[in-house]
Amino acid sequence: GAGVSQSPSNKVTEKGKDVELRCDPISGHTALYWYRQSLGQGLEFLIYFQGNSAPDKSGLPSDRFSAERTGGSVSTLTIQRTQQEDSAVYLCASSARGGGEYGKNIQYFGAGTRLSVL
Amino acid sequence: GQSLEQPSEVTAVEGAIVQINCTYQTSGFYGLSWYQQHDGGAPTFLSYNALDGLEETGRFSSFLSRSDSYGYLLLQELQMKDSASYFCAVRGGNQGGKLIFGQGTELSVKP
Repeated sequence: GAGVSQSPSNKVTEKGKDVELRCDPISGHTALYWYRQSLGQGLEFLIYFQGNSAPDKSGLPSDRFSAERTGGSVSTLTIQRTQQEDSAVYLCASSARGGGEYGKNIQYFGAGTRLSVL
Repeated sequence: GQSLEQPSEVTAVEGAIVQINCTYQTSGFYGLSWYQQHDGGAPTFLSYNALDGLEETGRFSSFLSRSDSYGYLLLQELQMKDSASYFCAVRGGNQGGKLIFGQGTELSVKP
């Protein structure tokens, strides 16, 4: 696609429910990242995919958080039994492997999913 | 661990020059990046420095001093559309490309 697409753009859920957030990276980008941004804060790394594997899951805050990527493309971030502290904007980014852009580690971000847990 | 510090907010007038500083602490250094984020929007890449010195891209320039663990973003000929948050970020290791971000500097450009 032309850019990184995330859906839904907004999600309101009740505490204790499960949610799934979707990310469609730029076509051909092999690297995919999930970040979380709380109001007025910086971005917090969650997980990194290279292809379909996730060599770095170090940012996932608890075992309620999981993510998968299929076909080297679409990724889904799942939060189980949501808590109010999970409320944030969840951002996905992708980057190309190889070439000057990879050397610069340029990441292309989607507009995010704003999650509100009531 | 890794951490970055930058001012929380900066105000400047149209046409002026503003500098946003960033100091970092990392266990290894693999480059300093800058991203811009308008309110409610996606962060977008601005600049990257791996070596000491100045990188210029139009009205924006970025500087790095590895010996001082310090960099800055310089915005010239400020325009109202430059009002946004600006984040410095370092690469979180030499495997993969995860970024560790500062808390962001909110720039307000006044007429």
